[in-house]
Amino acid sequence: GQQVMQIPQYQHVQEGEDFTTYCNSSTTLSNIQWYKQRPGGHPVFLIQLVKSGEVKKQKRLTFQFGEAKKNSSLHITATQTTDVGTYFCAGGLYNFNKFYFGSGTKLNVKP
Amino acid sequence: DTGVSQNPRHKITKRGQNVTFRCDPISEHNRLYWYRQTLGQGPEFLTYFQNEAQLEKSRLLSDRFSAERPKGSFSTLEIQRTEQGDSAMYLCASSLWDTRGEQYFGPGTRLTVT
Repeated sequence: GQQVMQIPQYQHVQEGEDFTTYCNSSTTLSNIQWYKQRPGGHPVFLIQLVKSGEVKKQKRLTFQFGEAKKNSSLHITATQTTDVGTYFCAGGLYNFNKFYFGSGTKLNVKP
Repeated sequence: DTGVSQNPRHKITKRGQNVTFRCDPISEHNRLYWYRQTLGQGPEFLTYFQNEAQLEKSRLLSDRFSAERPKGSFSTLEIQRTEQGDSAMYLCASSLWDTRGEQYFGPGTRLTVT
């Protein structure tokens, strides 16, 4: 069964509002990756977190990896219409040998 | 273009037929993954190769599925005796053996089983 849960499933925001998606794993992960998939496209890598409690920023995006390495979050500040898409987390097991993707959070941004 | 390529892009087949998909990873990447994605879901791990060795295989993969990477370059995924439940997008991804672990995905092969 699915080992990585992701919420919410959908998020509709007004442009300029913030957005957060959360991932939770039933097991301790070796690493976690985040991807963005545009409609009709394929997943595109955003970032990887490896260390317990790690926080990384990419412009308006902030990624966190929980202390227990079982949860992670992606926060977008002041969303833009270009942020539209589905965001997936992918929990890694056994050092890159296997990844479990969450079901994704579909973000819609209204201008 | 040096990205990951997959062929064919679309495949329509009748139930019970065998199908084979091909993935050409980025040339210097020694890791290769196969995933299956259905509408509204995240990619589902199928199998993983490091060079030519198949190191992980999902328990979800029945005996009807087999994958190869004979020379550590391109890979094939074969589905025998296809069923309607096999209809999905089949994605291939490759990555380098380094700590970044970034997976580069191909455009996928959309399989429809009628």
